[in-house]
Amino acid sequence: AQSVTQPDIHITVSEGASLELRCNYSYGATPYLFWYVQSPGQGLQLLLKYFSGDTLVQGIKGFEAEFKRSQSSFNLRKPSVHWSDAAEYFCAVGVRKTSYDKVIFGPGTSLSVIP
Amino acid sequence: GAVVSQHPSRVICKSGTSVKIECRSLDFQATTMFWYRQFPKKSLMLMATSNEGSKATYEQGVEKDKFLINHASLTLSTLTVTSAHPEDSSFYICSASRRGDGTDTQYFGPGTRLTVL
Repeated sequence: AQSVTQPDIHITVSEGASLELRCNYSYGATPYLFWYVQSPGQGLQLLLKYFSGDTLVQGIKGFEAEFKRSQSSFNLRKPSVHWSDAAEYFCAVGVRKTSYDKVIFGPGTSLSVIP
Repeated sequence: GAVVSQHPSRVICKSGTSVKIECRSLDFQATTMFWYRQFPKKSLMLMATSNEGSKATYEQGVEKDKFLINHASLTLSTLTVTSAHPEDSSFYICSASRRGDGTDTQYFGPGTRLTVL
C-alpha cells in the first residue's frame, strides 16, 4: 500500500538557519511527489513537485527538494528560514488511477521559527 | 492561476440539520475534485473523489449517505453533510485537479470549518 511518513512531528529553528524536513514514501511504481504548506487560516499551497527528470526540484519561496529513489525519500530544504515560514508542511505522493491521480498525504511537520 | 474557492468558510449548525459546502475552480476546468477532512493537528484524510457528471468514489469507511457529493459542472462540486452531528465537526477541504506536466496537480481551497452544536 502507498504511504508517506514524516518522521518529525515538530521542528523549531532559528530565523536565518537552514532547514531540512524529512519525507519517506512507499510506492511500487515511479512516484509523483509533492510538498505542500499550510499556514494558519490558509489553504494548502503547493511548494514544489517531482514527476520525472532532474531529482533536485526547485520550488517557490526558496524551497527545494531532492528525490532519492534508493532511500525512498523526498526531503525538503531551505538554506535560510524566515519567520514567515512557520507553518505546517505536508509531503504527499500521487497515486495513478485510471482517470485521475489520487494524493496521499503524510502526517505533516509543524515548523516553528524563533526570531 | 489555479484558484479554488470554498463557501462558506465557516458554518455553525444545529445537530440534525444538513449543511452544503461549495467548491469552485475559478480559473480552470477541473475534471476531478476531491474532498478531504482534516482533524485538529492532523493530516488530510481523503473522503471522496468526484468526477464531473458521474458518481463520486468514496474512500473506505466514509458514509456515502452521510456525505453527499455532487459534481454538476467542470467548475463546481458540492459536499452536503446530512443530518449533521457533533462528531461531524471538522475542517473540510476541497481540491481541484488540473492536468499538466504529464500528470495532475491538485489545487486546494481555503477550507470550511463546520461546527455542529
